[in-house]
Amino acid sequence: EPEVTQTPSHQVTQMGQEVILRCVPISNHLYFYWYRQILGQKVEFLVSFYNNEISEKSEIFDDQFSVERPDGSNFTLKIRSTKLEDSAMYFCASSQQGAGNSPLHFGNGTRLTVT
Amino acid sequence: GQQLNQSPQSMFIQEGEDVSMNCTSSSIFNTWLWYKQDPGEGPVLLIALYKAGELTSNGRLTAQFGITRKDSFLNISASIPSDVGIYFCAGHPSRNQFYFGTGTSLTVIP
Repeated sequence: EPEVTQTPSHQVTQMGQEVILRCVPISNHLYFYWYRQILGQKVEFLVSFYNNEISEKSEIFDDQFSVERPDGSNFTLKIRSTKLEDSAMYFCASSQQGAGNSPLHFGNGTRLTVT
Repeated sequence: GQQLNQSPQSMFIQEGEDVSMNCTSSSIFNTWLWYKQDPGEGPVLLIALYKAGELTSNGRLTAQFGITRKDSFLNISASIPSDVGIYFCAGHPSRNQFYFGTGTSLTVIP
């Protein structure tokens, strides 16, 4: 069964550094998402992306964050000037159609540790 | 963001027992999804619901989209040890995002 893949599985970075988290969504999916999960807490929406532009973003997704689909298969999340509180699991998800018509399929996440 | 409350927060049950959990929101949702998350992994889709009143099964799992569109229920029958994990509901209010519930942690005692 096709799946969403994320790399790396674990990223350790120093405070103030920039990180790029990478995702390969399911190939025939058109909608892409990033979610975040702080240890022991619920999954929080960051951003959705469709047709090469952001379609929704949460209040968490401020100027520190950006997303890009640099080619036909990758979807990236860039976090500039990381802070300690950015430490979390970051999940990429994709769906074939919009949120009201098809479910989200998640990758296994990237654990980001900011020291 | 939207508030999605799940109950119970945690459950400890004997293998073979049935399980019920629910999710309520303060506003109307158009879609409800149920996910299971194992430690260190991403959420895995269990059931998707698209219409108020809809009742859908996936093996031993059954979920319902509440008629008020503000709640959803997940039942697991005859629980087994591999049912252990955290169960999340997710709701789609509008546009292109889902909000996740607070999660129900399930422990099955063999």
